[in-house]
Amino acid sequence: GNSVTQMEGPVTLSEEAFLTINCTYTATGYPSLFWYVQYPGEGLQLLLKATKADDKGSNKGFEATYRKETTSFHLEKGSVQVSDSAVYFCALSGRAGGFKTIFGAGTRLFVKA
Amino acid sequence: GAVVSQHPSRVICKSGTSVKIECRSLDFQATTMFWYRQFPKKSLMLMATSNEGSKATYEQGVEKDKFLINHASLTLSTLTVTSAHPEDSSFYICSAAVGGREGETQYFGPGTRLLVL
Repeated sequence: GNSVTQMEGPVTLSEEAFLTINCTYTATGYPSLFWYVQYPGEGLQLLLKATKADDKGSNKGFEATYRKETTSFHLEKGSVQVSDSAVYFCALSGRAGGFKTIFGAGTRLFVKA
Repeated sequence: GAVVSQHPSRVICKSGTSVKIECRSLDFQATTMFWYRQFPKKSLMLMATSNEGSKATYEQGVEKDKFLINHASLTLSTLTVTSAHPEDSSFYICSAAVGGREGETQYFGPGTRLLVL
């Protein structure tokens, strides 16, 4: 079945550092890929998404490229801020899985001033 | 953008009581709503998929008699935790989807934190 694997956290960075959170997936067919962010005590917010191979999703300085050849959707940001501290979830959804969203385990990011 | 609300945001109840959580899509009609449970520092676990006017579809291992879901309209779904016990304490999150490909456009509520004493 479909699954998502993302790097374990926590990830601790200094402000203005470069961020990469790795995400790989296993899926039948051509799923859509997502990154969600969860701030402390809140629900999930869609950060960005990509619906087909080679698409790049971007939002608020974050970006991720749908790489079918490596089945990856790594999240990157060139310069993180303290306000980016949150938990980031990689997810996928596709026809083969009945369009249910499958989430990765989440990666907690701490950004220090 | 599409907004999904949940009520209450936080609830504390005694063991053995029932708790109802509401999920509303405020500015759109949702063909499907999903209920998730999130344990501390863990990912979201899909509990059930709810379609307006029909019975919810529960994931394996989720007790349908304990977690009652009612999807009364295209803007409201409710989750009732019946005879709650301390192990039911968790963060419950709903999401609402539009369009035929529900997984493509899913909007999440802010979550409800349940504490059973």
